[in-house]
Amino acid sequence: DGGITQSPKYLFRKEGQNVTLSCEQNLNHDAMYWYRQDPGQGLRLIYYSQIVNDFQKGDIAEGYSVSREKKESFPLTVTSAQKNPTAFYLCASGSSGANVLTFGAGSRLTVL
Amino acid sequence: SQQGEEDPQALSIQEGENATMNCSYKTSINNLQWYRQNSGRGLVHLILIRSNEREKHSGRLRVTLDTSKKSSSLLITASRAADTASYFCATDDLGDKLIFGTGTRLQVFP
Repeated sequence: DGGITQSPKYLFRKEGQNVTLSCEQNLNHDAMYWYRQDPGQGLRLIYYSQIVNDFQKGDIAEGYSVSREKKESFPLTVTSAQKNPTAFYLCASGSSGANVLTFGAGSRLTVL
Repeated sequence: SQQGEEDPQALSIQEGENATMNCSYKTSINNLQWYRQNSGRGLVHLILIRSNEREKHSGRLRVTLDTSKKSSSLLITASRAADTASYFCATDDLGDKLIFGTGTRLQVFP
């Protein structure tokens, strides 16, 4: 079945540690996106990529980094520079441009 | 920045009633989309309406778009308890990314 997989589903981190969230899709989509969602809030764009080896900052990129070495994969690293990283992180993919997105199930990061 | 603002923030209705939620956005768009999110889950695409369309239907969903007022509405007819979720509008801002609104939390009581 085609889809988008995020892992881990739950992650706990101590302050000062970097963590990497995985996002893999087998939908042959060119574009991939990372959004952050805080409780009771909408989605805010962190980074997005329209093509392999290229990505752009979204509205809240500070403290995050990404890579796009393969079409299928778009991992997100939450660095120690991110001041308030506890949140629900959603990865999505779509055909090029701002078309319909398919979302993963999300990764919930808690900083202890 | 968030492009869209949904109204109301929360809505509670009985099964069988209709639910209407509204979205306002700020800039010109190519299309507007509505998504649904069950608690703690990813978003699921519901419907897309293009800027040159005024109304679109999909099953129990009816979406309208008024580009002159930069607003859209989502109507869910004959609501069911299983419709309980958060609903988000998303716009493309004429660019290559989607910007989401703040969402409406819908609670449908049996």
